Amino acid sequence: AQTVTQSQPEMSVQEAETVTLSCTYDTSESDYYLFWYKQPPSRQMILVIRQEAYKQQNATENRFSVNFQKAAKSFSLKISDSQLGDAAMYFCAYRRRGETNAGKSTFGDGTTLTVKP
Amino acid sequence: KAGVTQTPRYLIKTRGQQVTLSCSPISGHRSVSWYQQTPGQGLQFLFEYFSETQRNKGNFPGRFSGRQFSNSRSEMNVSTLELGDSALYLCASTTQGASTDTQYFGPGTRLTVL
Repeated sequence: AQTVTQSQPEMSVQEAETVTLSCTYDTSESDYYLFWYKQPPSRQMILVIRQEAYKQQNATENRFSVNFQKAAKSFSLKISDSQLGDAAMYFCAYRRRGETNAGKSTFGDGTTLTVKP
Repeated sequence: KAGVTQTPRYLIKTRGQQVTLSCSPISGHRSVSWYQQTPGQGLQFLFEYFSETQRNKGNFPGRFSGRQFSNSRSEMNVSTLELGDSALYLCASTTQGASTDTQYFGPGTRLTVL
């Protein structure tokens, strides 16, 4: 079974600084997707960034970027120029490729990010 | 387009009762997945429905069931509620139910079992 581990229950960052959230996963599959989701205190979970395992290039979305190390099964999220609105719980998630797995994601336990003004 | 909606947002039940939660996906989305979120267990996959058929199921007891209607709206039912069923229940929808699709989450239903 696939597992996703986020070893940092809590992280804090100063506004405008950079922070990196860690995620490792375990799978025997070679083709899969990895995601970072953000869940603000209002509880609506939204997608921050996604990475296809077959792509070597790291995904980037504005201030958010990932460091995907497939061999090490590591998938960290870097937030640059942190803003107060980035404060939330961040979840790392894994999804196998294939139609029958489309709706099933495996999540880590989450990292609560605090942004200090 | 309206986002994923879930009703009710909050629910209080007592042990032994049953409960039904509803999820309306984004218009045009055909796949709906359900997750249970608790402080101790995190986010756990319950099941996924696509075109009115259960396509995937997590490791939950048979007390947890669901269905999907022809308009893609989905309901999940929990019978004989236990204290441990207290959780935030999230549903998520995708367009075609393909693994490349982005899952869009609803705000959740907070269930409290007394």
